[in-house]
Amino acid sequence: EVQLVQSGAEVKKPGESLKISCKGSGYSFTSYWIGWVRQMPGKGLEWMGIIYPGDSDTRYSPSFQGQVTISADKSISTAYLQWSSLKASDTAMYYCVRLYGDYPDRYFDYWGQGTLVTVSS
Amino acid sequence: QSVLTQPPSVSGAPGQRVTISCTGSSSNIGAGYDVHWYQQLPGTAPKLLIYDNSNRPSGVPDRFSGSKSGTSASLAITGLQAEDEADYYCQSYDSSLSGSWVFGGGTKVTVL
Repeated sequence: EVQLVQSGAEVKKPGESLKISCKGSGYSFTSYWIGWVRQMPGKGLEWMGIIYPGDSDTRYSPSFQGQVTISADKSISTAYLQWSSLKASDTAMYYCVRLYGDYPDRYFDYWGQGTLVTVSS
Repeated sequence: QSVLTQPPSVSGAPGQRVTISCTGSSSNIGAGYDVHWYQQLPGTAPKLLIYDNSNRPSGVPDRFSGSKSGTSASLAITGLQAEDEADYYCQSYDSSLSGSWVFGGGTKVTVL
């Protein structure tokens, strides 16, 4: 069974750094792109970026380029999303997703349970 | 402002049929890229509902169907049930945004 299990909720102050994780299991982690999707409170879904754990090739949405860093450690089947300096506007639920399909008609066939990030002074 | 446009809400009585539209442009749906749909039940992560315009993953009831024509796509729910009350999102690829996957703004389905 394919599973994406994310790290727990975080409460941080503006300016702090943060790294959240997503551990994949039940499939070949290095053979599928993993992505991150943001959902701000009461709002819709936004694609942030993707990484191919097999070679760490990474692509970012123009809206998130330079704002976050996506990485992966294939030895432990885990992808990461990190911030160097959080802002209040980073408060959101973050989902990791597995991408499936042929480029560019890819879709997100499995979703993690979400990690709630709250940034408040 | 989402690249793909969905109505904010639709509603229907149990047993009725409702449809959700997803309108794009010549750089996404109109360019021939596939449309996919997700269901987000309250307080849960989204779940893939329809992929490649009209295909259902294993376990998705056949009450859900998708279609695509021109620059738009639609999700239909027939025989609406109380458990279908959720947010629904369409998703496609857009070639005008340095190659980005884009979502619609979401549609809240209310079962009356």
